[in-house]
Amino acid sequence: EAQVTQNPRYLITVTGKKLTVTCSQNMNHEYMSWYRQDPGLGLRQIYYSMNVEVTDKGDVPEGYKVSRKEKRNFPLILESPSPNQTSLYFCASSPTPVGSYNEQFFGPGTRLTVL
Amino acid sequence: AQTVTQSQPEMSVQEAETVTLSCTYDTSESDYYLFWYKQPPSRQMILVIRQEAYKQQNATENRFSVNFQKAAKSFSLKISDSQLGDAAMYFCACGAGGGADGLTFGKGTHLIIQP
Repeated sequence: EAQVTQNPRYLITVTGKKLTVTCSQNMNHEYMSWYRQDPGLGLRQIYYSMNVEVTDKGDVPEGYKVSRKEKRNFPLILESPSPNQTSLYFCASSPTPVGSYNEQFFGPGTRLTVL
Repeated sequence: AQTVTQSQPEMSVQEAETVTLSCTYDTSESDYYLFWYKQPPSRQMILVIRQEAYKQQNATENRFSVNFQKAAKSFSLKISDSQLGDAAMYFCACGAGGGADGLTFGKGTHLIIQP
């Protein structure tokens, strides 16, 4: 089954404790991205990757890191989480950059709470 | 960069009735694409319908159709014969042609279906 998976689905952590949210897709998509969703703000892009070893900042990259060592994986890293990073996070992938008709496939979301 | 505005935080409709969700956008790109995503309580992001800006014909997917007014930069979603399963958050999104930027989302409209 074609899908985007994220782990963990739920995470409660404390300020400053490094964490990684994994994202994997099995559709051989070149383009992957991370979004955060906050009430009243919609979804905002954090980082994106055009292909392996090619990443760039989105609209809200502060406090986040990413890597793309393999085509299928695109982990999101919070080196020192803070309470303002409490949010719902989505990973997404598409065959080509989203400035096209191609649909973005979203993962199930990761609910992160930073205390 | 694009901006997307959804002016209705919440809408309510009787089951079997028709409802229209509003969306306006702004972009400097001549080649862009517009999307409506549905987010049910499960939080999964589901593509409802998409429209290529260069196509004048409005997209239709079963009970879902759009009213695309390019000059007015308006992209509303019409849901006919509303069903209880249509209850969800609906997000309008815009992707610019060829660019690596992700989708720009509106803040969402919460649709309530009254039985």
